[in-house]
Amino acid sequence: SQTIHQWPATLVQPVGSPLSLECTVEGTSNPNLYWYRQAAGRGLQLLFYSVGIGQISSEVPQNLSASRPQDRQFILSSKKLLLSDSGFYLCAWRGTPGANVLTFGAGSRLTVL
Amino acid sequence: KQEVTQIPAALSVPEGENLVLNCSFTDSAIYNLQWFRQDPGKGLTSLLLIQSSQREQTSGRLNASLDKSSGRSTLYIAASQPGDSATYLCAVRPFFSSGSARQLTFGSGTQLTVLP
Repeated sequence: SQTIHQWPATLVQPVGSPLSLECTVEGTSNPNLYWYRQAAGRGLQLLFYSVGIGQISSEVPQNLSASRPQDRQFILSSKKLLLSDSGFYLCAWRGTPGANVLTFGAGSRLTVL
Repeated sequence: KQEVTQIPAALSVPEGENLVLNCSFTDSAIYNLQWFRQDPGKGLTSLLLIQSSQREQTSGRLNASLDKSSGRSTLYIAASQPGDSATYLCAVRPFFSSGSARQLTFGSGTQLTVLP
């Protein structure tokens, strides 16, 4: 069966520090991978998506970047965090281009102080 | 640009009551619509997915309907239980698009509390 893992689950970082959130998927190959951010009381905002290794599409200009070094690994990074980067970050995957259901990880709560 | 709205933002009902959650979208050219459940501090769990050609989908006590022409979907929960307390989000996937526009547009959710 397919599973998706995100870590860390919770992170508290000072302004200006770097960030690395990791997402891995098991039980599938060549998934479409997504990073979303959820701010309090708001819907999910798509940040990045990837259809294959090394292929990253960015949805909004921001202080963050994403990388896909392996087929089932998706990393969200920042060189210098801002206060506005605080939020709940969710990784998701879709199995094939024609697959319908989007499956989410448990999320990573980032607090920037 | 597709916009998805969920009203009300919060809803509180007594246990055992049947309830309806609403989702509206501005662009009716959708591929499908998906309902999710999110518990506090957790990821999203997919509940039901309705293809654009379908009118409704059922899973247990949940029934989701889709009226594409009017840009509306409802999630009906029968005989609500305290364990149903969570935030419910709907998301639409566009039909004609490429690249990033094929991805989901989410509503901001309805926070449901079922009182024992």
